[in-house]
Amino acid sequence: DQQVKQNSPSLSVQEGRISILNCDYTNSMFDYFLWYKKYPAEGPTFLISISSIKDKNEDGRFTVFLNKSAKHLSLHIVPSQPGDSAVYFCAASLFSGGGADGLTFGKGTHLIIQP
Amino acid sequence: SQTIHQWPATLVQPVGSPLSLECTVEGTSNPNLYWYRQAAGRGLQLLFYSVGIGQISSEVPQNLSASRPQDRQFILSSKKLLLSDSGFYLCAWTRTGGGELFFGEGSRLTVL
Repeated sequence: DQQVKQNSPSLSVQEGRISILNCDYTNSMFDYFLWYKKYPAEGPTFLISISSIKDKNEDGRFTVFLNKSAKHLSLHIVPSQPGDSAVYFCAASLFSGGGADGLTFGKGTHLIIQP
Repeated sequence: SQTIHQWPATLVQPVGSPLSLECTVEGTSNPNLYWYRQAAGRGLQLLFYSVGIGQISSEVPQNLSASRPQDRQFILSSKKLLLSDSGFYLCAWTRTGGGELFFGEGSRLTVL
């Protein structure tokens, strides 16, 4: 049973437009959420996170929105740039800040930014 | 600053052969250490985690094992590889209290 779901394996967006990556979760005990970005043949790198006490967190071009009632979060990238082409993993944690074994990842969404 | 290194970056091994992937973290003490695997069409699957020397927790049954002989060293091993062990293996660490995961560069394992 997958507790963190990214239902879109891939997403294609034109450069300069907004990219919206979605993530759903089933475990209501999750209280900390993270997005990681991964280029081919590299380890994922942390992008942005949000605590369950918030509904929005913004960092430059990246904004994460959390809808606890819907168990849904999304990552908005605006404007999208060619360097944003990567696989994006949504992750959820049972403990604030992420615990040793409490981080569950989705399958990832491959974002392709078209010129 | 903290850094994490894992090697080898690429490995091609025959079925039944042994495996040893090594990971080291620098610039921090008492990290929590993790081994993840990213298999084709799947997300990042946690294989093992360790909160201290000699302390290993396994998340999934498999023919892999992990060891932590030193505070900042984490090793992933197998005595006999299976075809299904092919994948991209990632070592990662967090601070003792948890938080953001920092990943290594990854090791691509192909079992033939």
